[in-house]
Amino acid sequence: SQTIHQWPATLVQPVGSPLSLECTVEGTSNPNLYWYRQAAGRGLQLLFYSVGIGQISSEVPQNLSASRPQDRQFILSSKKLLLSDSGFYLCAWSDGQSEKLFFGSGTQLSVL
Amino acid sequence: QKEVEQDPGPLSVPEGAIVSLNCTYSNSAFQYFMWYRQYSRKGPELLMYTYSSGNKEDGRFTAQVDKSSKYISLFIRDSQPSDSATYLCAMSQNSGGSNYKLTFGKGTLLTVNP
Repeated sequence: SQTIHQWPATLVQPVGSPLSLECTVEGTSNPNLYWYRQAAGRGLQLLFYSVGIGQISSEVPQNLSASRPQDRQFILSSKKLLLSDSGFYLCAWSDGQSEKLFFGSGTQLSVL
Repeated sequence: QKEVEQDPGPLSVPEGAIVSLNCTYSNSAFQYFMWYRQYSRKGPELLMYTYSSGNKEDGRFTAQVDKSSKYISLFIRDSQPSDSATYLCAMSQNSGGSNYKLTFGKGTLLTVNP
């Protein structure tokens, strides 16, 4: 069966520091991969999605970037965090054949 | 008009009650409809998936889609305290190729009291 791993679960970072969140999927090949951010009262915001290695599409211009160095690995990065980057970050995957999206357990990021 | 509207609640019911959760949408091209359950500080979990109009039942859960009214519902029978969570509706149109994007509601917070 397929599983998705996302870490860390919680992260507290100072303003201006770098960020790296990692997500890996097991049990499937060539998944579509997604990064979402969930802010209180604002719902789920799609940040990036990828349909293959090295293929990244950005939905919202911002302080963040994403990379997909391997088929089942998706990384969310920032060179310098802003206060507004605080939120709950979710990685997700789909098989590219249906609309079903499967989420990781999330990372609560607090930028202070 | 927002693409997907969902009452944020909070909704509080006694154990055993029937719960009705709803979303309305404006994009008539939406064909695929989902409900996700999200426990506090956890990722959303796919609960129900339906295509086009009609009903789908899975245990205590029933999903209904009325495309003519652009309205979807999730019913929970015999609600349990373990059903306490935020429920998110999601929908999509087939955008072609291998990439699918979901549009989410903001979620309804449900509490089932023992």
